[in-house]
Amino acid sequence: GAVVSQHPSWVICKSGTSVKIECRSLDFQATTMFWYRQFPKQSLMLMATSNEGSKATYEQGVEKDKFLINHASLTLSTLTVTSAHPEDSSFYICSARPGSYYNEQFFGPGTRLTVL
Amino acid sequence: AQKITQTQPGMFVQEKEAVTLDCTYDTSDPSYGLFWYKQPSSGEMIFLIYQGSYDQQNATEGRYSLNFQKARKSANLVISASQLGDSAMYFCAMREGPYNQGGKLIFGQGTELSVKP
Repeated sequence: GAVVSQHPSWVICKSGTSVKIECRSLDFQATTMFWYRQFPKQSLMLMATSNEGSKATYEQGVEKDKFLINHASLTLSTLTVTSAHPEDSSFYICSARPGSYYNEQFFGPGTRLTVL
Repeated sequence: AQKITQTQPGMFVQEKEAVTLDCTYDTSDPSYGLFWYKQPSSGEMIFLIYQGSYDQQNATEGRYSLNFQKARKSANLVISASQLGDSAMYFCAMREGPYNQGGKLIFGQGTELSVKP
């Protein structure tokens, strides 16, 4: 089956620093990738949709300048949390879609971010 | 208004028994898709089953079946013969519009299922 990886799986950083999370589709090309955030015991909230080679589309209420998304290739999307603060601590999950005619999304294992 | 509603924050079921997890949705788009995912404590999202709005029959995948009642806008997940490994969070999700447009998912609040031995 289609495999999506995320790196790192967990990260601890100091307040004010930036953190980059990578999402890779390992055995397929992903024209679209999605980034979600999940707080403990809560649902997944879509942050943004990224299409290869174009700017990401952010959901309402998500700060574009704080959560930088780059989808530079068909197998890699990155999410950079800039100037992280404790309230950014969360579980970040990406998903990837092989193409517009694919119904299913394949999820990565998630990245747990803790900001001290 | 909530687009996807799961009204059961937590459910208990005895091992080997069947359990139904509720999901209702709200959309005016005639074309949509409904998904169920399982999220164990490790955090990974595991796809279970899919139902398209135009599908005539209820979807089934092994021990999972989806009770799709379009007029009631409900898409309940039925797990038969529960196993201890079924203990996890379960999320219902909806994709509005045809699958070849957009594709973003809206998730419900989740139901935490605990299977008792």
